[in-house]
Order: sequence, then structure tokens, then C-alpha cells
Amino acid sequence: NAGVTQTPKFRVLKTGQSMTLLCAQDMNHEYMYWYRQDPGMGLRLIHYSVGEGTTAKGEVPDGYNVSRLKKQNFLLGLESAAPSQTSVYFCASSYYRNSPLHFGNGTRLTVT
Amino acid sequence: TQLLEQSPQFLSIQEGENLTVYCNSSSVFSSLQWYRQEPGEGPVLLVTVVTGGEVKKLKRLTFQFGDARKDSSLHITAAQPGDTGLYLCAGVPFGGYQKVTFGTGTKLQVIP
Repeated sequence: NAGVTQTPKFRVLKTGQSMTLLCAQDMNHEYMYWYRQDPGMGLRLIHYSVGEGTTAKGEVPDGYNVSRLKKQNFLLGLESAAPSQTSVYFCASSYYRNSPLHFGNGTRLTVT
Repeated sequence: TQLLEQSPQFLSIQEGENLTVYCNSSSVFSSLQWYRQEPGEGPVLLVTVVTGGEVKKLKRLTFQFGDARKDSSLHITAAQPGDTGLYLCAGVPFGGYQKVTFGTGTKLQVIP
């Protein structure tokens, strides 16, 4: 049972480039989330989804877009990367709103 | 935004010592979760406390939810090197929100 899988694990981008992070879960969870983790700031919610075909903004959505075309996948896109988006990105899923979160192992993104 | 402050931010102790980590907020939560994160991995759920005043024990770890549901503490007895990691509290709000708020984190190092 893989749980939550994120690809890629590492990525280096130049300012202005675009990329997509992929998150896949095999637990049939309804809710999926994208967080970023920066030193001293904990985990901040970027976007989330409460079911297939739905997305909503979190705490820090600017500069990011998401899509949830299939229940098991949640994609995070950066259209024009900026150095401020250098961070570790975590995807998580949960069965329901108050259920515990299951996290992937993160993607370390550096924007130069 | 519901803020969760954790203290201390960093803690370096010798094996066998006891420690307490605090998680405080001015907001009331329906429940509170504690996660541990090891380097290069995503956070993993340790426990969820759901009732004001609740105390839960997980081997040498004791978790308490404040009576007013605004704060929580994690006490570790006789710390072991395997307890090393980043400890994160997360508040689950009431009502129609889908967003869990994470604390700023406590980085614990247990020296053998």
C-alpha cells in the first residue's frame, strides 16, 4: 500500500519557468491538500480539494493553480516560478474533513 | 487565520531527560492533532485529542488538550534518540471550514 506518492522528489527551476507537481493517493480519500513548508513557518495550506472536480484556495494560493480531474490525483502547477516559491511542498489526503492527514514525502523545489 | 504557537522552537536534551512541548492559540478548536516529522519525510500522525481536558498516552508520550480547547501539550518521559524529529500540532476548526491549521513546530534533538 503506497499511501500518498509525490513526484518529483527534487526540482530546480529558473525564474519564470513552469512545472507541475503530481500527487497520487491509493486510499480512496475524498480530501486532498497541497502545503508548503518553510523554516520557522510550519505548514501553510496552498490549495485543497473536497472531492473529484473541486478545488479551493487555502492560506497562500497566489502563484499556484491546482486540478483534481481524478479522485486519486491532485496536481499543483506553478505557471511562472519565482524565488519566493523555493520551498518543500507536501501533498496530503484525508478520508473526511476531520480525519487525520496522510502526507507524502515531499518535493524540494529550488527556484533560482 | 487561526494561529497556533508552539514552544519551544528548538530543544536539545540528553537521553533520559523529560520534556514538554506546548501548543497555544487564542482560537477554539474542535480537536487537535499531533504529528512527528523526520528529515526527508512527511509528517506522521501521533494522536488526536477531541475532548476538552482529555489526556492520551502513547507509551512514553502524554498528550493533553486544554479544558478550553485552545491549547495542548506533549510531554515525553525519558526521551530516546528515536524521539528526535519535528513535532507539529494542528488544530481542526469547528463549522464549515475544511482547513486544518498547523503550528510553527518544535524541533527536538535527543543526544545519546
